[in-house]
Amino acid sequence: NAGVMQNPRHLVRRRGQEARLRCSPMKGHSHVYWYRQLPEEGLKFMVYLQKENIIDESGMPKERFSAEFPKEGPSILRIQQVVRGDSAAYFCASSPDRAKNIQYFGAGTRLSVL
Amino acid sequence: KQEVTQIPAALSVPEGENLVLNCSFTDSAIYNLQWFRQDPGKGLTSLLLIQSSQREQTSGRLNASLDKSSGRSTLYIAASQPGDSATYLCAVITGGGNKLTFGTGTQLKVEL
Repeated sequence: NAGVMQNPRHLVRRRGQEARLRCSPMKGHSHVYWYRQLPEEGLKFMVYLQKENIIDESGMPKERFSAEFPKEGPSILRIQQVVRGDSAAYFCASSPDRAKNIQYFGAGTRLSVL
Repeated sequence: KQEVTQIPAALSVPEGENLVLNCSFTDSAIYNLQWFRQDPGKGLTSLLLIQSSQREQTSGRLNASLDKSSGRSTLYIAASQPGDSATYLCAVITGGGNKLTFGTGTQLKVEL
């Protein structure tokens, strides 16, 4: 059973471009969580999704950020018109229905905005 | 609002020493508490998970304790090794939610 897969591992974008970060949860997991780790800061919750539904987006910036978890395919975190302050490590985690409070993390995507 | 604090922020010890990392949280209504390890530029590795009904968990040289009522957890590392050098993160899931609230971590360096 493969772990949580995130791609790309590293992403470089210029200011104003779009960034798409992908997360494939562990097999059988229908709950996905996105966290952001800004330089010199701790990990902060962004959004929690369960197949096709956003359950909690209390940590998402109000503008430019969106997330989805379609019925088929990976979860996508999308950042439009990136700015330098978006440079961070973005981590995805997943959990199964039977143990929603145990989250398994991916290796993260490191976004650098030039 | 749940807040998680870790002390110390950084720690340097000689190889072989036993050490304790501290974590405190403000809201005692937690589902569970996890300790993670993060190596520079890498992802998170889960070390130990303590359910709210448990007092401690052990894995090899690691032992984590939980005192829910006082809002504290400790991670004990026995006979430290240079390979233990990393940042250690404490995180909780608070009742009614599913999101992890992380502390800012303790950066550990074990020297030869």
